[in-house]
Amino acid sequence: AQTVTQSQPEMSVQEAETVTLSCTYDTSESNYYLFWYKQPPSRQMILVIRQEAYKQQNATENRFSVNFQKAAKSFSLKISDSQLGDTAMYFCAFMKLTTGNQFYFGTGTSLTVIP
Amino acid sequence: EAQVTQNPRYLITVTGKKLTVTCSQNMNHEYMSWYRQDPGLGLRQIYYSMNVEVTDKGDVPEGYKVSRKEKRNFPLILESPSPNQTSLYFCASSFRGLAASTDTQYFGPGTRLTVL
Repeated sequence: AQTVTQSQPEMSVQEAETVTLSCTYDTSESNYYLFWYKQPPSRQMILVIRQEAYKQQNATENRFSVNFQKAAKSFSLKISDSQLGDTAMYFCAFMKLTTGNQFYFGTGTSLTVIP
Repeated sequence: EAQVTQNPRYLITVTGKKLTVTCSQNMNHEYMSWYRQDPGLGLRQIYYSMNVEVTDKGDVPEGYKVSRKEKRNFPLILESPSPNQTSLYFCASSFRGLAASTDTQYFGPGTRLTVL
């Protein structure tokens, strides 16, 4: 079975600073996708960034970037120039591609950006 | 506007009373999925569907049923709800299950279910 672990239940960062959220996963699959989702107080789930396991280059989306270490099964999210609107719950997710596209989510990290 | 809709948004019911939470998407997506979110457990996938008449169990399917008779609809059925099914439920859809780099998973607004 696949597992996704987010070991930081809560984090805080000063506005304009950089913060890194950690995520590790366990799988025997060789082909899979990884995602970071943001859930603000509105409860809506918003895709932040995605990474294909076969790609060695780390994905970036504006202020958001990942550090993908396949051998270590680590997938951390770096948020640069943190903004108040980044305050949210962040979920790391794993999707395996064999036998259908089954999703596994971590337990989430609650991030607070302090003005 | 591209969206995933869920109804109802809030529901309080009693043990054993059958209920259905509807999910509909207007994007002609092939892939649809149901999740439940519980404090400290994150989101867990209940069922997913790769296309019409094709459904598969996720991580926590016990106590739930789904059907995919039409591409746009993916209802979640609780035949005999129990208190441990009290949770926040999300429906989601994507074009082809996110296998394409341009694909993204759209989530509905959530349904808060309380079973007494």
